[in-house]
Amino acid sequence: QSALTQPASVSGSPGQSITISCTGTSSDIGGFNYVSWYQHHPGIAPKLIIYEVNKRPSGVPDRFSGSKSGNTASLIISGIQAEDEADYFCGSYRRSAPVFGGGTKVTVL
Amino acid sequence: QVQLQESGPGLVKPSQTLSLTCTVTGDSMSSGSHYWSWLRQRPGKALEWIGHIYYSGSTSYNPSLESRVTISVDASKNQFSLNLNSVTAADTAVYFCGRERLIDYSQDYWGQGTLVTVSS
Repeated sequence: QSALTQPASVSGSPGQSITISCTGTSSDIGGFNYVSWYQHHPGIAPKLIIYEVNKRPSGVPDRFSGSKSGNTASLIISGIQAEDEADYFCGSYRRSAPVFGGGTKVTVL
Repeated sequence: QVQLQESGPGLVKPSQTLSLTCTVTGDSMSSGSHYWSWLRQRPGKALEWIGHIYYSGSTSYNPSLESRVTISVDASKNQFSLNLNSVTAADTAVYFCGRERLIDYSQDYWGQGTLVTVSS
C-alpha cells in the first residue's frame, strides 16, 4: 500500500490535456506545500518536473503544471506529446521524510 | 550537468549485507547545498525512501529500515554509500541514489537505478 494514492493509468490523444491525481492526508500533502512530480522512462534516471506544488525546474516544458487542493495534488499535462508517454509519480513530505505515490502509467494514444 | 551513478553487486545472498556506492559528477558534495539520498522500488510497490546524508556525515533514515541501514559519505571522492544488512528476499529492488533538496526533500537528480536481487 502506497503512502500516496495515484491512478494506475491515464491516457490521452496527442494535443489533449490529461490530469493525474495524487491523494494523501493532512499529514503530508494537506499539511505542507511540498508536492513534487517525477517523470520516469524505464531504464533511465527519473526526472523532477514539478516541485513545491507548482514550480518547474529549468528546462521542463510549460505544458507541465501542478496544483493542490486539500489533501489532493494534481499534475496536468496540457497538449500531451508522444514523448510524454512514461510513468509519473508524486512525492510529498511526512514526519521529516519523503513519501511517494505508486506511480501512474501515461499512454499517448 | 549533474549525474549520479550507482554501482555494486547485482546479487546478494540472504542474511548478508547489500553494499552500493553512488558516484556524483557535475556537483561537489562538499558545497553543502543538498542532501544525498538512497531510495528503492521493490517489485509492484511504491518508491521507498531509505535515508539521506549531508556532506558533514549527518544522517536521517526511514524508521522502517533504520535498524539495518548505514549511509556513509566520502566527500573527497564525491561518493556516498549504502549498507543494508541482514537482507532477505523482501529487499530485492531497484535501488536509486539521488540529490535531495534541503527545503522540501524532493529529489532533483537521480541515478538510473540498479537492480539488486537477494537470492541464494
